[in-house]
Amino acid sequence: GAVVSQHPSWVICKSGTSVKIECRSLDFQATTMFWYRQFPKQSLMLMATSNEGSKATYEQGVEKDKFLINHASLTLSTLTVTSAHPEDSSFYICSASGGGNNSPLHFGNGTRLTVT
Amino acid sequence: GQQVMQIPQYQHVQEGEDFTTYCNSSTTLSNIQWYKQRPGGHPVFLIQLVKSGEVKKQKRLTFQFGEAKKNSSLHITATQTTDVGTYFCAGRNAGKSTFGDGTTLTVKP
Repeated sequence: GAVVSQHPSWVICKSGTSVKIECRSLDFQATTMFWYRQFPKQSLMLMATSNEGSKATYEQGVEKDKFLINHASLTLSTLTVTSAHPEDSSFYICSASGGGNNSPLHFGNGTRLTVT
Repeated sequence: GQQVMQIPQYQHVQEGEDFTTYCNSSTTLSNIQWYKQRPGGHPVFLIQLVKSGEVKKQKRLTFQFGEAKKNSSLHITATQTTDVGTYFCAGRNAGKSTFGDGTTLTVKP
């Protein structure tokens, strides 16, 4: 149980284009989803908290106009990297929680984004 | 804001030796969770500790939560090559999880 599907697993795009990453909870309802960025051999950096039906809460230093988050249903959140640049190349991971402070986080497999 | 420090950053052991990683939070936590990330993979949930002073075991893994709910440790007894990976703690408070920097464990057969 508690499976989170993230798609695509990898994507290569040209500078200036936009990329959408999907995060789905397959067998539970995720009231809250989190988006992280992970650089090689580093920890997970929380980018934003996505709550179903409301605006995402972005962490300090994360541009909300560049990283658009939509959480329109209890099973789907999307992250769109707009006007991507090479410095946006990274590993993006989502996690979903069933709700409550004591609910564990279930992670997607991550998306390796390369911007050329 | 909340900060979670994790040490050591790297640990290289001989197979059969023990391993311990420590987490310390700048604030009192609601709970702490531990995750393992294999090279090239995504973090996988291991366990959650909620109560002050709580100790939980999973086979060769022992997890502890401090009395003040600000620190935690993960101890692996008699490491095996399958234990390799990066172990992250995540301190949870006010609905937000803050991850430590992780401890990367390598095991020499």
